[in-house]
Amino acid sequence: DSGVTQTPKHLITATGQRVTLRCSPRSGDLSVYWYQQSLDQGLQFLIQYYNGEERAKGNILERFSAQQFPDLHSELNLSSLELGDSALYFCASSVATSRGTGYTFGSGTRLTVV
Amino acid sequence: AQTVTQSQPEMSVQEAETVTLSCTYDTSESDYYLFWYKQPPSRQMILVIRQEAYKQQNATENRFSVNFQKAAKSFSLKISDSQLGDAAMYFCAYRSAYENFGNEKLTFGTGTRLTIIP
Repeated sequence: DSGVTQTPKHLITATGQRVTLRCSPRSGDLSVYWYQQSLDQGLQFLIQYYNGEERAKGNILERFSAQQFPDLHSELNLSSLELGDSALYFCASSVATSRGTGYTFGSGTRLTVV
Repeated sequence: AQTVTQSQPEMSVQEAETVTLSCTYDTSESDYYLFWYKQPPSRQMILVIRQEAYKQQNATENRFSVNFQKAAKSFSLKISDSQLGDAAMYFCAYRSAYENFGNEKLTFGTGTRLTIIP
């Protein structure tokens, strides 16, 4: 157990639907990062939250949104789903000024859009 | 923007032999961190080794070592005495060391799939 909890582990849904992925960071970590990993691809950075506020944005689609709550857990909302959104979605956490250390990844949510 | 390139989509090595995975990156920054992550079939992202750009000495972790060539912007991973459990996808990643707002993200390469031949 890495300390970062992602739920659900697997999700199958139809095109056009909306889903919510949840991430609980490791205790003490204030930053949460969301990454998307499509089949046989690297991890693409989507968005980062720090202590409840958006801190950095990557190539995140307008159909996607995220937030971080006061208890520091984060949710990634994916709407109007398309087949191409099928991917593994990772959450990672760190202290903000980690000096390059302390990234902890969750085990990911496998999203399949049919 | 920084980019990370892994030019070997797949590699294979005999068990107990040594293999080197390549990674190059592009950045205009002088201070940064480089990482190798391992992703086994379980999908978990596992940190293998980390290098700080301002340190000349190459990092080592047991059977894993890196060859960091800052001028060439090259960061290769050497796995010695390969074991069956080393079979996985390996990702190279970059992170800026400048603690500016929003610079903490990791930028990943596309990965190298390593197969261990018994």
